[in-house]
Amino acid sequence: QKEVEQNSGPLSVPEGAIASLNCTYSDRGSQSFFWYRQYSGKSPELIMSIYSNGDKEDGRFTAQLNKASQYVSLLIRDSQPSDSATYLCAVNYNQGGKLIFGQGTELSVKP
Amino acid sequence: GAVVSQHPSWVICKSGTSVKIECRSLDFQATTMFWYRQFPKQSLMLMATSNEGSKATYEQGVEKDKFLINHASLTLSTLTVTSAHPEDSSFYICSASGEQGGNSGYTFGSGTRLTVV
Repeated sequence: QKEVEQNSGPLSVPEGAIASLNCTYSDRGSQSFFWYRQYSGKSPELIMSIYSNGDKEDGRFTAQLNKASQYVSLLIRDSQPSDSATYLCAVNYNQGGKLIFGQGTELSVKP
Repeated sequence: GAVVSQHPSWVICKSGTSVKIECRSLDFQATTMFWYRQFPKQSLMLMATSNEGSKATYEQGVEKDKFLINHASLTLSTLTVTSAHPEDSSFYICSASGEQGGNSGYTFGSGTRLTVV
């Protein structure tokens, strides 16, 4: 069974701090990795995608991938209350193939 | 950018009736459509994968006769929940994959909140 694991949280950080979200996956054949943000009652929205080992930065967000250790993380710098949401890690095994989601980590940014 | 229009956004139906959910790709060809279900405080669980013109592939534990999926064209896929029961109440989300299918290759619909009473 291919699995994607995340801590469900909630993770609480003060405004302006760095939020660190982690995800592990079971299948070494995984190809692509995604972080989605989901507000309550809404559909997921893509934050970052990463395909190769190392870091990828986009604004306040940095995704980190380590295929040898089978983990992917998301750092949110200068966290804002509007970042409060559930963050979903997703993995696929071939381009355009089905996405397998982790259970999500609830992030709360306190003003 | 790529857009998938999902309708209805919410629906309330009586137990035993059927409900159809539509997802349309507005500006690209969705060669593959994924259907997910999400219960409160839980993650997205893949129900089935459909390719245009082919029968859908259902995940283990998902009843194909209860959740009918049609993907007759490259721009339209439908999910019909037949003989709905209260335990089918959930948030249903489609995701399209195809040419120009969004930054990640996946474009999500806005979701349908189904409540069966």
